[in-house]
Amino acid sequence: GAGVSQSPSNKVTEKGKDVELRCDPISGHTALYWYRQRLGQGLEFLIYFQGNSAPDKSGLPSDRFSAERTGESVSTLTIQRTQQEDSAVYLCASSDRGTTEAFFGQGTRLTVV
Amino acid sequence: GEDVEQSLFLSVREGDSSVINCTYTDSSSTYLYWYKQEPGAGLQLLTYIFSNMDMKQDQRLTVLLNKKDKHLSLRIADTQTGDSAIYFCAEILPGGSYIPTFGRGTSLIVHP
Repeated sequence: GAGVSQSPSNKVTEKGKDVELRCDPISGHTALYWYRQRLGQGLEFLIYFQGNSAPDKSGLPSDRFSAERTGESVSTLTIQRTQQEDSAVYLCASSDRGTTEAFFGQGTRLTVV
Repeated sequence: GEDVEQSLFLSVREGDSSVINCTYTDSSSTYLYWYKQEPGAGLQLLTYIFSNMDMKQDQRLTVLLNKKDKHLSLRIADTQTGDSAIYFCAEILPGGSYIPTFGRGTSLIVHP
């Protein structure tokens, strides 16, 4: 696609439910990042995929968070048993190997009620 | 990881220059970035600078890097109302993973 696409753009869920957030990176981009942006806060790194290497999961805040990536394409971020503190905008970005510019999607705004 | 610090708000009058400051704490950072986030949108890369440079100019944007003080600034000349947004400073540490570490962002408000 022309840019990084995220879906849904907005998600309201009840506390305790599981949610899946989807990211379609720019075609051909080998690197994919997930960040979380809480209201009034900076971007908090969650997880990084680079090609077929093992993902860097060092930013995942708890074992309720997990992410998968199919080859060098779509990624899904899953949050199990959502809590109110999970409410945030979840941003996905991708970049090409050998470059350092990350292209961001518009994010998914998650609200846990 | 190291923290990237930014002031939270900056208010300027249209036509004036804006200077947004950032301090980073890891002197081994290889790349430093400025991203812009407009309301309801994702982040857009504005400009970046390599750690071996001390200045970069791109039209109305001037980036200054002071490695000794670990200070990065973004100057926007002739600021317009369309420049109102949140500006994020980000750094990349050496090591090959290329994971940008972001500051909290500076909200730039431009008054007509």
